[in-house]
Amino acid sequence: GESVGLHLPTLSVQEGDNSIINCAYSNSASDYFIWYKQESGKGPQFIIDIRSNMDKRQGQRVTVLLNKTVKHLSLQIAATQPGDSAVYFCAGHPGNDMRFGAGTRLTVKP
Amino acid sequence: DAGVIQSPRHEVTEMGQEVTLRCKPISGHDYLFWYRQTMMRGLELLIYFNNNVPIDDSGMPEDRFSAKMPNASFSTLKIQPSEPRDSAVYFCASSLGGFSSPLHFGNGTRLTVT
Repeated sequence: GESVGLHLPTLSVQEGDNSIINCAYSNSASDYFIWYKQESGKGPQFIIDIRSNMDKRQGQRVTVLLNKTVKHLSLQIAATQPGDSAVYFCAGHPGNDMRFGAGTRLTVKP
Repeated sequence: DAGVIQSPRHEVTEMGQEVTLRCKPISGHDYLFWYRQTMMRGLELLIYFNNNVPIDDSGMPEDRFSAKMPNASFSTLKIQPSEPRDSAVYFCASSLGGFSSPLHFGNGTRLTVT
């Protein structure tokens, strides 16, 4: 079955720097991927998504890159701010399910 | 748009008691999902509905768990009897189009079973 995992459980960056959070997936049939942000005491919040017919998608300060050859997904956050501190999840859609990775905790140092 | 609304936000109960969690999805969304989040297992899909009909309940851990969706604006997840290992945060989410579109999550119910 699908498994979605993250390379690092924690990431600490300086305010103003760019952040890169990585994710690997196992099921090549996955055709849709989402990045979520979860703050303490809240539910996961949609950030950006990408379909498998694309390799890059940009939003406001965020970019998602998809490399289907190596089954790798990344989230780039430009000019990271204290409000970006949260746990970030990647999720993949391998059919009738949405599988979530374990999450990376991003800490932004002032 | 008020988003997905869950109640209660916190529930503390004793082992053996019945627990009912409630969810109001976003108006117009045709899919509703129940997830459970724990430190050990992360986010797990329990069950999901399409147009109020349960589609896949294979993630429901045991017969002690049941879910209903009597109408498009309301769903419940019931645990009877509850056990300490059921302690977790339970999330409800809704979407327009199932798993091929973003899931919108509520803020969850933190369940503690003592």
